[in-house]
Amino acid sequence: KAGVTQTPRYLIKTRGQQVTLSCSPISGHRSVSWYQQTPGQGLQFLFEYFSETQRNKGNFPGRFSGRQFSNSRSEMNVSTLELGDSALYLCASSSTGSWRENTEAFFGQGTRLTVV
Amino acid sequence: AQTVTQSQPEMSVQEAETVTLSCTYDTSESDYYLFWYKQPPSRQMILVIRQEAYKQQNATENRFSVNFQKAAKSFSLKISDSQLGDAAMYFCAYTYYGNNRLAFGKGNQVVVIP
Repeated sequence: KAGVTQTPRYLIKTRGQQVTLSCSPISGHRSVSWYQQTPGQGLQFLFEYFSETQRNKGNFPGRFSGRQFSNSRSEMNVSTLELGDSALYLCASSSTGSWRENTEAFFGQGTRLTVV
Repeated sequence: AQTVTQSQPEMSVQEAETVTLSCTYDTSESDYYLFWYKQPPSRQMILVIRQEAYKQQNATENRFSVNFQKAAKSFSLKISDSQLGDAAMYFCAYTYYGNNRLAFGKGNQVVVIP
């Protein structure tokens, strides 16, 4: 069974540009969550999609947006990039997104975004 | 808001010895879940162990076990017989039933000394 796939693995962008990151969840998983990981702030929740609907959103500015397609693949977009957006962006998929016994979030290896 | 606190940013342990990582959390929920995740240099988060709050028995997974003290809101991870492959960043995480986001602590770096 293939794991969670995030592309690209590394990305370098210039301030002011926009970027799109992609996440392909495990086959059959309908929930995709995004997290930002930085040395200063740690891991912070961005948003979660389930069956193409955003169900939950973290405390990030509107420059951060996402969507989910009918095949459960998800994209995350950041517009007008700032230096502080440099981070590791992690995607996690789960079958239901509702925490019950044996529900587990599987993470991808992340996309390392560097804004210069 | 739920918060997860991990102290001691870095801990060293001799190979084959035992190390314990501490985690405290704050919540007003009654039905919640706690996790320890491992993040090796590959950056992929790997679930080590989970604990349902309604279960009184502490979870164990091979060499990994937890000490869940619900009243104290404490959730520590014990790694027994430490191996070189255990070297990684370990994150304590929390979520509650009906929610679908994980709240993470800042992490503990575990260094295993051969």
